[in-house]
Amino acid sequence: GAGVSQSPSNKVTEKGKDVELRCDPISGHTALYWYRQSLGQGLEFLIYFQGNSAPDKSGLPSDRFSAERTGGSVSTLTIQRTQQEDSAVYLCASSLQGTSGETQYFGPGTRLLVL
Amino acid sequence: GESVGLHLPTLSVQEGDNSIINCAYSNSASDYFIWYKQESGKGPQFIIDIRSNMDKRQGQRVTVLLNKTVKHLSLQIAATQPGDSAVYFCAEASGGSNYKLTFGKGTLLTVNP
Repeated sequence: GAGVSQSPSNKVTEKGKDVELRCDPISGHTALYWYRQSLGQGLEFLIYFQGNSAPDKSGLPSDRFSAERTGGSVSTLTIQRTQQEDSAVYLCASSLQGTSGETQYFGPGTRLLVL
Repeated sequence: GESVGLHLPTLSVQEGDNSIINCAYSNSASDYFIWYKQESGKGPQFIIDIRSNMDKRQGQRVTVLLNKTVKHLSLQIAATQPGDSAVYFCAEASGGSNYKLTFGKGTLLTVNP
């Protein structure tokens, strides 16, 4: 697989449940990003990883949101006690080094619906 | 806060025509700009980028123009094809936070055969 992959592609959950979204970046890419796209909106930055560290978590909307990255590769975005306003497409991107002006390559996203 | 926005939410063109999608940005510190294409059900796909030390950059059938004086960015698509139908987003990044992209709301381009 040459591109960024995400799973699941779709997730329907009930309000109050926890969900985990997974991202597999392009092999060798040290930088990984999570964005959220609400219906008809542009993408909203959530968090940035450089290796396993997250130097910028400023976009996480609340403490119900957390993310981790292990082995400098796979990342998991966890949303606890989901709310209906969490419904959105969650997109992951990766880039080679996370340096200035580097192209970010996006995965297909996970479509989350909270009922 | 500062943001990136688009003049036109929708654009409909005939196949073979040239398309121009516009974007206004408000952060004067932005020094890197990107255009992404997003087809239904897919993630954004990189089209072309430009740095603030340039005012024009060309790719295959696409050209990006940057006017820093009026903080305006445009994407020109030559000989538009049905496969170009998608939502187009401009994004910007600035200085030390060049990794953090700020996206506009997008323009829906529809190409009529």
